Amino acid sequence: EAGVAQSPRYKIIEKRQSVAFWCNPISGHATLYWYQQILGQGPKLLIQFQNNGVVDDSQLPKDRFSAERLKGVDSTLKIQPAKLEDSAVYLCASSLLRQQETQYFGPGTRLLVL
Amino acid sequence: KQEVTQIPAALSVPEGENLVLNCSFTDSAIYNLQWFRQDPGKGLTSLLLIQSSQREQTSGRLNASLDKSSGRSTLYIAASQPGDSATYLCAALTDSWGKLQFGAGTQVVVTP
Repeated sequence: EAGVAQSPRYKIIEKRQSVAFWCNPISGHATLYWYQQILGQGPKLLIQFQNNGVVDDSQLPKDRFSAERLKGVDSTLKIQPAKLEDSAVYLCASSLLRQQETQYFGPGTRLLVL
Repeated sequence: KQEVTQIPAALSVPEGENLVLNCSFTDSAIYNLQWFRQDPGKGLTSLLLIQSSQREQTSGRLNASLDKSSGRSTLYIAASQPGDSATYLCAALTDSWGKLQFGAGTQVVVTP
């Protein structure tokens, strides 16, 4: 079974530029998560999708971050404009449904904002 | 608000020694407690998941315990190997929609 795919793996941009990350979850997984992991910290949930719908985006900085999940499969996370403090690893995870299901993580996208 | 803490932040042990990793959480109303492994430059790999009704879970050399009343979970790794070197994170499932609250992790180095 193929795992969670993410691209790009690395991205370097200057502040105020925009950037987009892509995630392809495990086939058949209804729930998709985007996490932000700042160096030395644990991952923080940014947004959670159940199929096409948003379940939780309470920690998403909506003035600059946006995310969508088209047709309940792939997802993109966008930052516009980027700030220095957005430098982090962005992790995508998926699970069959929710609650007590194991979450499977992709390799992450490492973003450096200069 | 749930807070998850892992102490120490880093740990170094000689090969063959047993590892004991600690995780504490402030709110006992959790659905489950999960342990993950993270290797440099890679995502997280799920190791063990303990349901709120369980006291422990085992997989091979790994054993995790859960004490909700005291807000603690412990991950034991028996007979450590250099390949066990990684960062270990615990996470508490805090709501029915699958929201995980992570600790900052314990970085483990097992020396040959």
